[in-house]
Amino acid sequence: QVQLRESDPGLVRPSGTLSLTCTVSGASITSSDWWTWVRQTPGKGLEWIGEVYLRGSPNYNPSLKTRVSMSVDKSKNQFSLSLNSVTAADTAMYYCARIGVPHYVDSWGQGILVTVSS
Amino acid sequence: QSALTQPASVSGSPGQWITISCTGTSSDVGSRDLVSWYQHHPGKAPKLIIYEVTKRPSGVSNRFSGSKSGNTASLTISGLQSEDEAEYFCCSYGSSVLYVFGTGTEVTVL
Repeated sequence: QVQLRESDPGLVRPSGTLSLTCTVSGASITSSDWWTWVRQTPGKGLEWIGEVYLRGSPNYNPSLKTRVSMSVDKSKNQFSLSLNSVTAADTAMYYCARIGVPHYVDSWGQGILVTVSS
Repeated sequence: QSALTQPASVSGSPGQWITISCTGTSSDVGSRDLVSWYQHHPGKAPKLIIYEVTKRPSGVSNRFSGSKSGNTASLTISGLQSEDEAEYFCCSYGSSVLYVFGTGTEVTVL
């Protein structure tokens, strides 16, 4: 049974960079070609941030594309999210997840609350 | 792409059945059979209960079933039980935004 856990970035300052790592256990990160990040806010609900593809380029939500970057570290069984120029609007519960074939999220982390505040 | 529309809340008595709708557009829900449903208890990881509109993952109760008509997908929970009380949300594979989520529905067991 695959398990995913998001790292805790602590408090993130406005205009700074939000960095999160997802550690995959119970399965190899190669168990899927796609791994994704999703966030949830009370106002906007669930929002897909993007997906990292083990065999090619990542795909990002067009609304966040200029600020987001994702990567994979196969040796550590981890994948990561970086979101720069953050504002209070980026305060959300962030989830990492695995994508099953075809095109559905089959496993989720518990989520980590990230607060952007000075 | 906008979020898929779900009712904010649905309730039912134990043993009854309820249906949750998930309305999108011809660019997402209506474009192909790639709608999934999730159950989310507070503080826990969301759980996949339906994928590809009608399929249930191994271990998921057959009290959960899915369907789709046009741009609207639906989740039916039959034989409602207290442990079914949770938030449910849908997701569709989209176009420009690859995964579009529903607004979420709180299910209350009376």
